[in-house]
Amino acid sequence: DSGVTQTPKHLITATGQRVTLRCSPRSGDLSVYWYQQSLDQGLQFLIHYYNGEERAKGNILERFSAQQFPDLHSELNLSSLELGDSALYFCASSVGLADYNEQFFGPGTRLTVL
Amino acid sequence: GESVGLHLPTLSVQEGDNSIINCAYSNSASDYFIWYKQESGKGPQFIIDIRSNMDKRQGQRVTVLLNKTVKHLSLQIAATQPGDSAVYFCAENLIYPNTGNQFYFGTGTSLTVIP
Repeated sequence: DSGVTQTPKHLITATGQRVTLRCSPRSGDLSVYWYQQSLDQGLQFLIHYYNGEERAKGNILERFSAQQFPDLHSELNLSSLELGDSALYFCASSVGLADYNEQFFGPGTRLTVL
Repeated sequence: GESVGLHLPTLSVQEGDNSIINCAYSNSASDYFIWYKQESGKGPQFIIDIRSNMDKRQGQRVTVLLNKTVKHLSLQIAATQPGDSAVYFCAENLIYPNTGNQFYFGTGTSLTVIP
């Protein structure tokens, strides 16, 4: 158990809908990262937050947004969902801002868009 | 985007043998590399990392080698055990002025350990 929790574990929804994925980092970790893992694209970095502020943006679509709250939990919002958004979404947390801070991954949320 | 490729999608080894998993990266400006292990139904798990100013780093039963000349990274697992069966990813880190720290992952190599 990495100490990172993600909810829900599974999510099934329809095209065009909007969903929110939630991540609670390990106690004491200030950084949260979001990743998407799909069969055709592999693991892709989406976005990084540190202590409530966006620090880096990767391959995140404009339909997706994220935020990190004062209690350090984070949410990833996916809107106008398409079939191709079906994937595993992982969040990871680390203690600091540096790239060499080990990232601890949560168990993921499996999103299925029908 | 950047390309981080793996040479072999699958690898089978006998228990007790050494395993070598390879990875090619495309950007010579990459500064930091990480190997992850992902077991079925779980999130990736950090194994070992290496900075670009090093060519070798050892952990417990694992060694990462970095060859910057040919932009190649490898993960060596000594005395492979059944619990090592998983998908292994390499990841590459670059820092861009406008978009910050970016992580790029390879497609993964599935390691199967034969008892």
